[in-house]
Amino acid sequence: ELKVEQNPLFLSMQEGKNYTIYCNYSTTSDRLYWYRQDPGKSLESLFVLLSNGAVKQEGRLMASLDTKARLSTLHITAAVHDLSATYFCAVDITGGTSYGKLTFGQGTILTVHP
Amino acid sequence: GAGVSQSPSNKVTEKGKDVELRCDPISGHTALYWYRQSLGQGLEFLIYFQGNSAPDKSGLPSDRFSAERTGGSVSTLTIQRTQQEDSAVYLCASSLSGTGIAKNIQYFGAGTRLSVL
Repeated sequence: ELKVEQNPLFLSMQEGKNYTIYCNYSTTSDRLYWYRQDPGKSLESLFVLLSNGAVKQEGRLMASLDTKARLSTLHITAAVHDLSATYFCAVDITGGTSYGKLTFGQGTILTVHP
Repeated sequence: GAGVSQSPSNKVTEKGKDVELRCDPISGHTALYWYRQSLGQGLEFLIYFQGNSAPDKSGLPSDRFSAERTGGSVSTLTIQRTQQEDSAVYLCASSLSGTGIAKNIQYFGAGTRLSVL
């Protein structure tokens, strides 16, 4: 059974600081997604990582994938309050051949303080 | 509409009643997914539709849960004889299908919050 584990589950940061969220998974996969969820809102797609060594960046967020270590990271640079949300990683083990059955991590609740 | 639409946004029901939750996917998306988000279990896959058929129902927790999709578009998730443990947010997502980077990105609706009293 595929297990996806995120840590930390709760992250309280000061504005301007850097931090990393980790996502470990237990089964071979080369397709990993990061989503953001604001309270009471839908999940918003942030990044799709499709191969070993993939790195994607958008603004203050950068995601990477190491398929050999079965690890993805979401790095936050110089955090701002607007980044406060819950972040999920999700792994697809169907190989992306026809559909994406996602297994989600527990989510990391990020709070950025002034 | 531009995104995945779900209704109702909130549903309060009594234990033992049946409920229907609706999902209207992004136009042109042939793949549709239902997930459940609860405090104890996190986000769990329930069922996947390709067109009107459901090749993967492996996440449905019991035979009280069923889903259908008509016209390759709107989907309904039905929970019969609701129990308190069914209380959760039910999320629907849709995607283009097939191989390729963009085709498996799932776009989520805002969800239906179900409360069973």
